[in-house]
Amino acid sequence: GEDVEQSLFLSVREGDSSVINCTYTDSSSTYLYWYKQEPGAGLQLLTYIFSNMDMKQDQRLTVLLNKKDKHLSLRIADTQTGDSAIYFCADSAGGGYNKLIFGAGTRLAVHP
Amino acid sequence: NAGVMQNPRHLVRRRGQEARLRCSPMKGHSHVYWYRQLPEEGLKFMVYLQKENIIDESGMPKERFSAEFPKEGPSILRIQQVVRGDSAAYFCASSPPVASSYNEQFFGPGTRLTVL
Repeated sequence: GEDVEQSLFLSVREGDSSVINCTYTDSSSTYLYWYKQEPGAGLQLLTYIFSNMDMKQDQRLTVLLNKKDKHLSLRIADTQTGDSAIYFCADSAGGGYNKLIFGAGTRLAVHP
Repeated sequence: NAGVMQNPRHLVRRRGQEARLRCSPMKGHSHVYWYRQLPEEGLKFMVYLQKENIIDESGMPKERFSAEFPKEGPSILRIQQVVRGDSAAYFCASSPPVASSYNEQFFGPGTRLTVL
């Protein structure tokens, strides 16, 4: 079945850029998503990218998609302490509705 | 417009008891998804429901778990005879009958189930 993999931890200094990587296996994905989860909270959609795009920029967020390698990345510019959270990559499993396949999440720690 | 609501936020049960988790989707949303998050893991799809219908329950364990989304009232995820391995965070998400262009799902805050 479909699978999504992410590295588990990332530590960056405040003001630096963060890059979170994700690989997926489903070649028929239509959309890929990045969700943010803060402690004790639900998931908040940060951004998404359509499968026929290579890049999408939204303020401090840049998403890169390499369909050939099935690799997705999220870059956060000027990382702030408020960006500390778990970031989930998700793939839409298709089938006419949006069953999401999530990675295990990358825990981003931002230190001064 | 209130977001997706889930209750209770925290639920403690002893082994063998029943757990009932409730999800009220956003106003106007008729599609509900349930996901389970085990400690240190990502969310795993359990079931997708529309009003009065189960569309896809491929992620539901074959026994003890059931879900419903009645015509009136919240969606219910029911776990009978809970075991310690059921301890997890259970998230509900909803979407409208006509999906946005990117099929966004709106997540609730989750119910954290602890089985003693």
